[in-house]
Amino acid sequence: QLVLTQSPSASASLGASVKLTCTLSSGHSNYAIAWHQQQPEKGPRFLMKLNSDGSHSKGDGIPDRFSGSSSGSERYLTISSLQSEDEADYYCQTWGTGILFGGGTKLTVL
Amino acid sequence: QVQLVQSGAEVKKPGASVKVSCKTSGYTFTTYAMHWVRQAPGQGLEWMGWINVGNGYTKYSQKFQGRVTIYRDTSASTAYMDVSRLTSEDTAVYYCARDSSIAIRYFDSWGQGTLVTVSS
Repeated sequence: QLVLTQSPSASASLGASVKLTCTLSSGHSNYAIAWHQQQPEKGPRFLMKLNSDGSHSKGDGIPDRFSGSSSGSERYLTISSLQSEDEADYYCQTWGTGILFGGGTKLTVL
Repeated sequence: QVQLVQSGAEVKKPGASVKVSCKTSGYTFTTYAMHWVRQAPGQGLEWMGWINVGNGYTKYSQKFQGRVTIYRDTSASTAYMDVSRLTSEDTAVYYCARDSSIAIRYFDSWGQGTLVTVSS
């Protein structure tokens, strides 16, 4: 069964970098995913599509500070030079016969 | 630029139905699929279903099968979602989200959300 697993929370300091993880369930390590950001009291925003080989394509206007990478069944979102507006919930999403979301990671910028 | 503009907030009584619209602009409506996603207060994102806007084919999450209807008006570049037999558990923000293709893949653009409150 296809499942996406995310840590519920993460934190990092202003100006630092953070790496968020989305883990695909066993047998699904070749799946691509997408990352979405949801700032407080706002709707989600598409960040990037991330392939199993680590190649990624970002949405319009997404800063270079956001990047993606992959290793096995894990998909990563790295945010460098953290800014206060990066404090948000981050969701990974994949697809098969339907759409599946991870539970989301709440990022706190200290 | 791609824009998805949803209808305004709704307050409904239990047992009623609600219709949410998603008016699009900035792209050719019939060449991308459209999905509907909801988010209950304090919860994560939940996929409800999708429509192939080109041919009208729909598929729903098993949880919403029989209670949700997704359709479109190509002349108005607008997608719609009806939810029937509302309960308090349906209180949520509902989003339309454009797929990156005509099939099921990933969302590359989101509407601003429509709050539906179900209360007696």
